[in-house]
Amino acid sequence: KQEVTQIPAALSVPEGENLVLNCSFTDSAIYNLQWFRQDPGKGLTSLLLIQSSQREQTSGRLNASLDKSSGRSTLYIAASQPGDSATYLCAVQGGSEKLVFGKGMKLTVNP
Amino acid sequence: SQTIHQWPATLVQPVGSPLSLECTVEGTSNPNLYWYRQAAGRGLQLLFYSVGIGQISSEVPQNLSASRPQDRQFILSSKKLLLSDSGFYLCAWSVLSGRAGEQFFGPGTRLTVL
Repeated sequence: KQEVTQIPAALSVPEGENLVLNCSFTDSAIYNLQWFRQDPGKGLTSLLLIQSSQREQTSGRLNASLDKSSGRSTLYIAASQPGDSATYLCAVQGGSEKLVFGKGMKLTVNP
Repeated sequence: SQTIHQWPATLVQPVGSPLSLECTVEGTSNPNLYWYRQAAGRGLQLLFYSVGIGQISSEVPQNLSASRPQDRQFILSSKKLLLSDSGFYLCAWSVLSGRAGEQFFGPGTRLTVL
Protein backbone atom coordinates (compact mmCIF):
# COMPACT_ATOMS: atom_id res chain seq x y z
CA LYS A 1 0.00 0.00 0.00
CA GLN A 2 1.44 3.37 -1.07
CA GLU A 3 2.08 5.85 1.71
CA VAL A 4 3.12 9.46 1.23
CA THR A 5 4.78 11.46 3.99
CA GLN A 6 5.47 15.16 4.25
CA ILE A 7 7.72 16.39 7.02
CA PRO A 8 7.52 18.81 8.74
CA ALA A 9 3.78 19.36 9.04
CA ALA A 10 4.29 23.10 9.38
CA LEU A 11 7.00 25.64 8.64
CA SER A 12 7.26 29.34 9.46
CA VAL A 13 9.95 31.42 7.78
CA PRO A 14 10.80 35.07 7.15
CA GLU A 15 10.21 36.53 3.72
CA GLY A 16 13.01 36.07 1.19
CA GLU A 17 14.23 32.65 2.27
CA ASN A 18 14.74 29.84 -0.20
CA LEU A 19 12.65 26.89 0.93
CA VAL A 20 12.82 23.13 0.60
CA LEU A 21 9.66 21.07 1.04
CA ASN A 22 10.07 17.32 1.28
CA CYS A 23 7.86 14.45 0.18
CA SER A 24 8.61 10.74 0.50
CA PHE A 25 6.69 7.72 -0.78
CA THR A 26 7.02 4.03 -0.01
CA ASP A 27 6.37 2.40 -3.41
CA SER A 28 8.68 3.59 -6.19
CA ALA A 29 6.41 2.15 -8.92
CA ILE A 30 4.71 5.45 -9.65
CA TYR A 31 3.34 6.95 -12.84
CA ASN A 32 3.79 10.56 -11.79
CA LEU A 33 4.06 12.90 -8.81
CA GLN A 34 2.11 16.10 -8.45
CA TRP A 35 2.60 19.09 -6.14
CA PHE A 36 -0.44 21.15 -5.13
CA ARG A 37 -1.11 24.30 -3.20
CA GLN A 38 -4.22 24.76 -1.06
CA ASP A 39 -5.33 28.06 0.43
CA PRO A 40 -7.64 27.95 3.48
CA GLY A 41 -11.15 26.85 2.55
CA LYS A 42 -10.26 26.50 -1.11
CA GLY A 43 -9.66 23.72 -3.59
CA LEU A 44 -6.27 22.48 -4.72
CA THR A 45 -4.19 24.30 -7.30
CA SER A 46 -1.83 22.15 -9.33
CA LEU A 47 1.71 23.54 -9.19
CA LEU A 48 3.89 20.98 -10.93
CA LEU A 49 3.54 17.50 -12.39
CA ILE A 50 6.60 15.27 -12.76
CA GLN A 51 6.26 12.17 -14.90
CA SER A 52 8.13 9.09 -13.68
CA SER A 53 10.66 9.43 -16.52
CA GLN A 54 11.52 13.00 -15.54
CA ARG A 55 13.88 14.23 -12.84
CA GLU A 56 12.60 17.76 -12.39
CA GLN A 57 10.11 20.40 -13.46
CA THR A 58 10.26 24.17 -13.10
CA SER A 59 7.62 26.86 -13.04
CA GLY A 60 8.68 30.38 -12.13
CA ARG A 61 10.14 30.37 -8.61
CA LEU A 62 9.17 26.73 -8.12
CA ASN A 63 11.31 23.72 -8.93
CA ALA A 64 10.35 20.15 -8.16
CA SER A 65 12.70 17.20 -8.33
CA LEU A 66 11.97 13.50 -8.31
CA ASP A 67 14.20 10.62 -7.24
CA LYS A 68 11.98 7.65 -7.86
CA SER A 69 14.47 5.02 -6.74
CA SER A 70 14.78 6.55 -3.28
CA GLY A 71 11.11 7.47 -3.07
CA ARG A 72 11.63 11.19 -2.66
CA SER A 73 10.55 14.48 -4.17
CA THR A 74 11.53 17.99 -3.22
CA LEU A 75 9.78 21.25 -3.96
CA TYR A 76 12.07 24.30 -3.95
CA ILE A 77 10.57 27.74 -3.53
CA ALA A 78 12.99 30.55 -4.31
CA ALA A 79 12.83 33.93 -2.61
CA SER A 80 9.69 33.17 -0.60
CA GLN A 81 6.95 35.79 -0.33
CA PRO A 82 4.01 36.20 2.07
CA GLY A 83 1.72 35.23 -0.82
CA ASP A 84 3.36 31.79 -0.81
CA SER A 85 1.70 31.08 2.55
CA ALA A 86 -0.55 28.05 2.05
CA THR A 87 -0.64 24.31 2.58
CA TYR A 88 1.46 22.36 0.10
CA LEU A 89 0.53 18.78 -0.74
CA CYS A 90 2.28 16.16 -2.79
CA ALA A 91 0.54 13.21 -4.35
CA VAL A 92 1.68 10.18 -6.32
CA GLN A 93 -0.15 8.17 -8.92
CA GLY A 94 0.56 4.50 -9.37
CA GLY A 95 -0.87 2.12 -11.96
CA SER A 96 -4.47 3.00 -11.14
CA GLU A 97 -6.30 6.29 -11.46
CA LYS A 98 -5.81 6.88 -7.77
CA LEU A 99 -3.75 9.75 -6.40
CA VAL A 100 -2.32 9.07 -2.95
CA PHE A 101 -1.78 12.27 -1.00
CA GLY A 102 0.47 13.29 1.83
CA LYS A 103 -1.16 15.19 4.68
CA GLY A 104 0.43 18.42 3.56
CA MET A 105 2.79 21.01 4.95
CA LYS A 106 1.45 24.33 6.17
CA LEU A 107 3.81 27.13 5.14
CA THR A 108 3.75 30.59 6.69
CA VAL A 109 5.98 33.27 5.20
CA ASN A 110 6.26 36.25 7.49
CA PRO A 111 6.80 39.75 6.08
CA SER B 1 -9.64 26.82 -21.21
CA GLN B 2 -11.00 24.20 -18.88
CA THR B 3 -13.13 25.09 -15.87
CA ILE B 4 -14.57 22.94 -13.13
CA HIS B 5 -17.60 23.94 -11.08
CA GLN B 6 -18.98 22.55 -7.85
CA TRP B 7 -22.15 23.40 -6.01
CA PRO B 8 -23.25 24.15 -3.52
CA ALA B 9 -20.20 25.80 -1.97
CA THR B 10 -21.38 25.10 1.56
CA LEU B 11 -24.08 22.88 2.98
CA VAL B 12 -25.41 22.17 6.46
CA GLN B 13 -27.58 19.08 6.71
CA PRO B 14 -29.14 17.09 9.56
CA VAL B 15 -28.19 13.48 10.19
CA GLY B 16 -30.34 11.14 8.13
CA SER B 17 -31.10 13.63 5.38
CA PRO B 18 -30.24 13.02 1.70
CA LEU B 19 -27.33 14.57 -0.14
CA SER B 20 -26.62 15.60 -3.69
CA LEU B 21 -23.42 17.39 -4.71
CA GLU B 22 -22.81 18.31 -8.31
CA CYS B 23 -19.64 18.78 -10.32
CA THR B 24 -19.40 19.89 -13.95
CA VAL B 25 -16.41 20.42 -16.19
CA GLU B 26 -16.23 22.77 -19.15
CA GLY B 27 -13.77 22.95 -22.01
CA THR B 28 -12.78 19.30 -22.31
CA SER B 29 -14.30 16.06 -23.54
CA ASN B 30 -14.33 12.59 -22.02
CA PRO B 31 -12.44 13.55 -18.87
CA ASN B 32 -11.73 11.21 -16.00
CA LEU B 33 -13.69 12.51 -13.01
CA TYR B 34 -12.98 12.06 -9.31
CA TRP B 35 -14.61 12.72 -5.94
CA TYR B 36 -12.33 13.24 -2.95
CA ARG B 37 -13.10 14.01 0.68
CA GLN B 38 -10.81 16.00 2.91
CA ALA B 39 -11.47 15.54 6.61
CA ALA B 40 -9.61 17.26 9.41
CA GLY B 41 -6.45 15.38 10.32
CA ARG B 42 -7.02 12.67 7.71
CA GLY B 43 -5.82 14.15 4.46
CA LEU B 44 -7.43 13.70 1.06
CA GLN B 45 -9.23 10.43 0.40
CA LEU B 46 -10.39 9.28 -3.02
CA LEU B 47 -14.06 8.23 -2.87
CA PHE B 48 -15.05 7.53 -6.48
CA TYR B 49 -13.68 7.90 -9.96
CA SER B 50 -15.18 7.59 -13.43
CA VAL B 51 -13.55 7.04 -16.81
CA GLY B 52 -16.79 7.46 -18.78
CA ILE B 53 -20.55 7.89 -18.67
CA GLY B 54 -22.12 5.35 -16.34
CA GLN B 55 -18.72 3.94 -15.31
CA ILE B 56 -18.08 4.41 -11.58
CA SER B 57 -15.37 2.88 -9.43
CA SER B 58 -15.66 3.04 -5.67
CA GLU B 59 -12.59 3.26 -3.50
CA VAL B 60 -14.18 3.30 -0.07
CA PRO B 61 -17.31 1.34 0.93
CA GLN B 62 -19.70 3.70 2.69
CA ASN B 63 -23.17 5.20 2.49
CA LEU B 64 -22.20 7.48 -0.41
CA SER B 65 -22.73 6.81 -4.10
CA ALA B 66 -21.72 8.53 -7.33
CA SER B 67 -23.24 8.83 -10.77
CA ARG B 68 -22.13 10.23 -14.10
CA PRO B 69 -25.25 10.95 -16.16
CA GLN B 70 -23.42 13.06 -18.74
CA ASP B 71 -19.85 13.22 -20.06
CA ARG B 72 -18.89 16.25 -17.99
CA GLN B 73 -21.19 15.87 -14.98
CA PHE B 74 -20.39 13.96 -11.82
CA ILE B 75 -22.80 13.68 -8.89
CA LEU B 76 -22.15 12.54 -5.32
CA SER B 77 -25.18 11.34 -3.38
CA SER B 78 -26.32 9.83 -0.15
CA LYS B 79 -29.74 8.60 0.97
CA LYS B 80 -29.02 9.17 4.67
CA LEU B 81 -26.16 11.29 5.93
CA LEU B 82 -24.05 10.33 8.92
CA LEU B 83 -22.11 12.65 11.22
CA SER B 84 -18.92 11.13 9.82
CA ASP B 85 -19.83 12.40 6.34
CA SER B 86 -18.87 15.93 7.35
CA GLY B 87 -15.90 17.25 5.43
CA PHE B 88 -14.68 19.15 2.41
CA TYR B 89 -15.65 17.43 -0.84
CA LEU B 90 -13.52 18.05 -3.87
CA CYS B 91 -14.20 17.11 -7.47
CA ALA B 92 -11.30 16.73 -9.91
CA TRP B 93 -10.73 15.90 -13.55
CA SER B 94 -7.89 14.64 -15.70
CA VAL B 95 -7.30 13.71 -19.32
CA LEU B 96 -5.60 10.70 -20.81
CA SER B 97 -3.43 12.38 -23.44
CA GLY B 98 -0.90 15.17 -23.41
CA ARG B 99 -0.30 15.97 -19.77
CA ALA B 100 -1.71 12.61 -18.89
CA GLY B 101 -2.44 12.05 -15.25
CA GLU B 102 -2.41 15.67 -14.07
CA GLN B 103 -5.49 16.25 -11.95
CA PHE B 104 -7.25 19.59 -11.66
CA PHE B 105 -9.50 20.34 -8.74
CA GLY B 106 -12.68 22.30 -8.25
CA PRO B 107 -13.38 24.84 -5.50
CA GLY B 108 -14.95 22.26 -3.19
CA THR B 109 -18.12 21.89 -1.12
CA ARG B 110 -17.95 22.25 2.66
CA LEU B 111 -20.48 19.79 4.17
CA THR B 112 -21.43 19.93 7.83
CA VAL B 113 -23.72 17.20 9.15
CA LEU B 114 -25.39 18.06 12.46
